[in-house]
Amino acid sequence: QVQLVESGGGVVQPGRSLRLSCAASGFTFSYYAMHWLRQAPGKGLEWVALISYDGSNKYFAASVKGRFTISRDNSNNTLYLQMNSLRAEDTAVYYCATAQGGGYQGPFDIWGQGTMVTVSS
Amino acid sequence: EIVLTQSPGTLSLSPGERATLSCRASQSVSTSYLAWYQQKPGQAPRLLIYGASSRATGIPDRFSGSGSGTDFTLTISRLEPEDFAVYYCQQYGSSYTFGQGTKLEIK
Repeated sequence: QVQLVESGGGVVQPGRSLRLSCAASGFTFSYYAMHWLRQAPGKGLEWVALISYDGSNKYFAASVKGRFTISRDNSNNTLYLQMNSLRAEDTAVYYCATAQGGGYQGPFDIWGQGTMVTVSS
Repeated sequence: EIVLTQSPGTLSLSPGERATLSCRASQSVSTSYLAWYQQKPGQAPRLLIYGASSRATGIPDRFSGSGSGTDFTLTISRLEPEDFAVYYCQQYGSSYTFGQGTKLEIK
């Protein structure tokens, strides 16, 4: 079945880096644009980043632009989020997701279970 | 950026009752690119409604969406015990933004 599984979360000090992974299965990963979203504890949802199906186009929320990068390995069906210069306000559950139809403009119909990132000294 | 404002913040109802949740956008949402999600504690959001009024796969018909432009509504016709959760609206016509959520709790 279609599945997304995030990993790589943990506790990290402010200013440090962390890389998240998202393993995809059950669909043709290389055909799909992929997204990262996050949810701070007790808060709402925030879109973070988008990468096109082939990795040639990348888009970021203003809150993470210049600090986070997104990449993918289509040969291993894996999505990444490299998070640098982490701040306390980056503390959140991070989800990977696909938009309906696999393009840019669609509701998010497939979600992973999320991985928790805590930025604290 | 399109700001989505959901109301009420909390809705207290009993099973069997009808729930009406509102989502208002700061500017018109293009082509009704408006979705609704349900989220239970410790779980990822689940897509309920897209295109303002189309039910996602496997969603019961007691869930319905309506609206256009800047005003949208999610209606749950008869609440089941498993419907008590947090609901978010989202627009995907101009980047992606979410409302702050409505908590539907048992009265």
